[in-house]
Amino acid sequence: DSGVTQTPKHLITATGQRVTLRCSPRSGDLSVYWYQQSLDQGLQFLIQYYNGEERAKGNILERFSAQQFPDLHSELNLSSLELGDSALYFCASSVDPPGLVENTIYFGEGSWLTVV
Amino acid sequence: GNSVTQMEGPVTLSEEAFLTINCTYTATGYPSLFWYVQYPGEGLQLLLKATKADDKGSNKGFEATYRKETTSFHLEKGSVQVSDSAVYFCALSDTGGFKTIFGAGTRLFVKA
Repeated sequence: DSGVTQTPKHLITATGQRVTLRCSPRSGDLSVYWYQQSLDQGLQFLIQYYNGEERAKGNILERFSAQQFPDLHSELNLSSLELGDSALYFCASSVDPPGLVENTIYFGEGSWLTVV
Repeated sequence: GNSVTQMEGPVTLSEEAFLTINCTYTATGYPSLFWYVQYPGEGLQLLLKATKADDKGSNKGFEATYRKETTSFHLEKGSVQVSDSAVYFCALSDTGGFKTIFGAGTRLFVKA
């Protein structure tokens, strides 16, 4: 158990709909990351938040948004869903204090999203 | 920009065979290097890491040495088991600590 909790574990929804994925980081971790894993694209970095602020942005679509709340949990919002958005979405967290080179990331078990 | 390149899979081996999964990287500065493993149905978990040149990371019989001269961090295991079947990801963390970059992953199948 990594200590990172994601909900829901599985989600099936229709095209055009909107869903929210939730993540609770490990206790004490300030950074939260979101990744998308699909068969054809591999593991894609979406976005990182550090202590409530967006820190880095990767291949995140404009239909997707995320935020990190004062209690450090994070939500990933996916809207106008398309079939191609079906994937496993991972949340990860790390301590990541400024200037630290060694930054181990701990992953949750993922949220399986199926768009039909 | 920074990048990580892994050998393409899948890699299929018989039990007790020697494993090498190649990983090379491109980075400015002095990144930390990691191997993560993803077992079926689970999230990624850290397997081993190395934070400076010539460091050797090791765990569960797996080893990888940080080679700055060849910008490589190849994963090795002397005798694989069926339970090692998983996807292995090489990754680097840049000097700012931002945004760990992952390779595409290499799937390993070990046959009994």
